[in-house]
Amino acid sequence: DAKTTQPTSMDCAEGRAANLPCNHSTISGNEYVYWYRQIHSQGPQYIIHGLKNNETNEMASLIITEDRKSSTLILPHATLRDTAVYYCIASNFGNEKLTFGTGTRLTIIP
Amino acid sequence: NAGVTQTPKFQVLKTGQSMTLQCAQDMNHNSMYWYRQDPGMGLRLIYYSASEGTTDKGEVPNGYNVSRLNKREFSLRLESAAPSQTSVYFCASSELGRSHYNSPLHFGNGTRLTVT
Repeated sequence: DAKTTQPTSMDCAEGRAANLPCNHSTISGNEYVYWYRQIHSQGPQYIIHGLKNNETNEMASLIITEDRKSSTLILPHATLRDTAVYYCIASNFGNEKLTFGTGTRLTIIP
Repeated sequence: NAGVTQTPKFQVLKTGQSMTLQCAQDMNHNSMYWYRQDPGMGLRLIYYSASEGTTDKGEVPNGYNVSRLNKREFSLRLESAAPSQTSVYFCASSELGRSHYNSPLHFGNGTRLTVT
């Protein structure tokens, strides 16, 4: 897996868009970017993944820069329930050994 | 459809005792995994099973054994528990593989283990 770097923590006001950055400057051409989140002490939850095109689903949007060295996860209208630790992972698709770092602790402020 | 179910939710062991953590999934997934998470740290892969009948070591396998009992169940055994194994253990399953495009990991809610 390519090394990823995320801010340790971030705050966002409720109702605003939360933009979570991730650097993966050594990512290789066949590595995808995955995002998961972990609420309280529950098991991590998959959010979204992408290779080079921007992706959107019902939970979030993923913006990957053209050089693929960084990406941003966007939660368009953050709610208090989005308070969690968010993990960015860069890995070969089909890699059985996804590596989770320490992630970004996102706190949504009322 | 319960997803990934782990038992027990909590366990306290004394050093040297043994126990088995159970995990079952009802999503017909081929791949299953065991992770541990220590306070303030990310998840670390202990063992995984890419398919029924196969198991492989992850990042931190020492002190653990696993059994892929069938397609649904993947157990983790501590033969002689040590305080360093105090952690939260997560089981996960997926259809990860090059033929499955949209196959994220699905996690259980963890087993909180304390070894004294």
